[in-house]
Amino acid sequence: GENVEQHPSTLSVQEGDSAVIKCTYSDSASNYFPWYKQELGKRPQLIIDIRSNVGEKKDQRIAVTLNKTAKHFSLHITETQPEDSAVYFCAASSVFGPGTRLSVLP
Amino acid sequence: GAGVSQTPSNKVTEKGKYVELRCDPISGHTALYWYRQSLGQGPEFLIYFQGTGAADDSGLPNDRFFAVRPEGSVSTLKIQRTERGDSAVYLCASSLSRGAGGELFFGEGSRLTVL
Repeated sequence: GENVEQHPSTLSVQEGDSAVIKCTYSDSASNYFPWYKQELGKRPQLIIDIRSNVGEKKDQRIAVTLNKTAKHFSLHITETQPEDSAVYFCAASSVFGPGTRLSVLP
Repeated sequence: GAGVSQTPSNKVTEKGKYVELRCDPISGHTALYWYRQSLGQGPEFLIYFQGTGAADDSGLPNDRFFAVRPEGSVSTLKIQRTERGDSAVYLCASSLSRGAGGELFFGEGSRLTVL
């Protein structure tokens, strides 16, 4: 079955800096790669997703890139703000990675 | 309703007891997922329904876990002979998409504590 790895497990950045989270997956048949944000005590919510026929997608300060050959995909957040602090999960289809705790320091 | 509804929000039970957790998905969503999330970890896939049938139950950890969705809407996750290791937040999610390729809308979860 699918296996998703995610790095780093924790990430601290200064407000205004960029944050990058990287994931790898194992099943070459996977074709849908969402990213979810989970704030403390709340449910995961989708922030951006990408499908296998696209290499990059951007939505304001958030971008995702996908390398299907290498089975890598990454989340990029620019101009980080304190409200970006949360746990971020990548997923390949319905299998989630272990998460990255992002802290944005004011 | 407007979102995915899960009941109970909290359940405390004793080791060996039987537990049922209910999920009411967004109206019209044909896909329904159950996940288990332990503290500090990502959601762990348990089972996925497309309509009334379990399209993928490969994540159920053992035969103590069972889920049903008899009318293609509400789903119940059933756990027999609970163990302390079953303690976690059980998340339900629904999706409009057929197949594993669409946004998941999560409920608030049912926190299960097995004493």
